[in-house]
Amino acid sequence: GENVEQHPSTLSVQEGDSAVIKCTYSDSASNYFPWYKQELGKRPQLIIDIRSNVGEKKDQRIAVTLNKTAKHFSLHITETQPEDSAVYFCAAANYGQNFVFGPGTRLSVLP
Amino acid sequence: EAQVTQNPRYLITVTGKKLTVTCSQNMNHEYMSWYRQDPGLGLRQIYYSMNVEVTDKGDVPEGYKVSRKEKRNFPLILESPSPNQTSLYFCASSPRNSPLHFGNGTRLTVT
Repeated sequence: GENVEQHPSTLSVQEGDSAVIKCTYSDSASNYFPWYKQELGKRPQLIIDIRSNVGEKKDQRIAVTLNKTAKHFSLHITETQPEDSAVYFCAAANYGQNFVFGPGTRLSVLP
Repeated sequence: EAQVTQNPRYLITVTGKKLTVTCSQNMNHEYMSWYRQDPGLGLRQIYYSMNVEVTDKGDVPEGYKVSRKEKRNFPLILESPSPNQTSLYFCASSPRNSPLHFGNGTRLTVT
């Protein structure tokens, strides 16, 4: 079955700097890759997603890149702000198959 | 309003007393899933369902049961709860290969 790894497990950046979180997946059939943000005590919420026919997607300060050959995808957050502090999860899925999540990255943006 | 509704939000119970956490979605989603979240351990999948009457074990199914008799409902049953099942539980649903929608979570304490 699918296995998703995520690095780093914790990340601290200065406000205004960029943050990058990387995920790798094992099943070449996976074709949908969402990213979720979870604030303390709240439910995970989708922040961006990408499908396998696209190499990059951007939404304001957030971007995701996908390398299908290498089976890895990354989340990029530019100009970080204190409200970006949260736990971020990547996931991989295939049509008709289960979602598999990475273990999460705790991002701290220091003022 | 499109949503995933979990009940109850908070539950304190004693060891061995059977309980059910309900999950209902009003979006006609095929896929539904249960996760537990413990500090430092990310989202661990308990069970998932691809459609009515189809359920499969996730990573941590021991001590839990589920059923999917109707498309909208996916209850989580703990036949004989134990203290190690104290956790934050999330239900989620999605149409196939599309973003997961999470419920608000159920915080369960077993004493």
